[in-house]
Amino acid sequence: GQQVMQIPQYQHVQEGEDFTTYCNSSTTLSNIQWYKQRPGGHPVFLIQLVKSGEVKKQKRLTFQFGEAKKNSSLHITATQTTDVGTYFCAGRGYGGSQGNLIFGKGTKLSVKP
Amino acid sequence: GAGVSQSPSNKVTEKGKDVELRCDPISGHTALYWYRQSLGQGLEFLIYFQGNSAPDKSGLPSDRFSAERTGGSVSTLTIQRTQQEDSAVYLCASSLVPGSNSPLHFGNGTRLTVT
Repeated sequence: GQQVMQIPQYQHVQEGEDFTTYCNSSTTLSNIQWYKQRPGGHPVFLIQLVKSGEVKKQKRLTFQFGEAKKNSSLHITATQTTDVGTYFCAGRGYGGSQGNLIFGKGTKLSVKP
Repeated sequence: GAGVSQSPSNKVTEKGKDVELRCDPISGHTALYWYRQSLGQGLEFLIYFQGNSAPDKSGLPSDRFSAERTGGSVSTLTIQRTQQEDSAVYLCASSLVPGSNSPLHFGNGTRLTVT
């Protein structure tokens, strides 16, 4: 079945450094969503990518969707302590189960001030 | 309007007891998901409801787990004869239209502790 792999599992950075998390699907995706979960909180939707090769920016966050629509990345420029949390990608496939939405295991980001 | 509401926020139960977890989705959202999140882990899919269609139960870990959604709105997740490995945060999410570009809106979850 469809699988979504996310790396790295953990990332520790110094405040001001950049951060990137990668998401890879075993199958072609119709779209991909990204969520952020703060410590002790619940996942909150960040953005959705739909088009092949799409790039979207939200302030210091840059999201990319691969040309083949099987991989995606989230890049944070100049991390701040407010970026701490776990970032999940969620790929939506074509047909199948689970509401067509498969979550990666997440990348936990810690930022040292 | 109000977000996804889950109750109780915390539940401590003894091994072997049954528990019911409730989810009240955002009004008008037709799709409802249940996920389980163990400490520091990812989101484990449990079950998915979409309108009046048969639910996708492919993620339920055992026959001790069941869920229903009444009237296309409120959902209840029931765990029978709870075990210690059932301890986790149970998250409910709803979305406006399934199979489209609708994001999931999560509730704050129910933290279940089985002693």
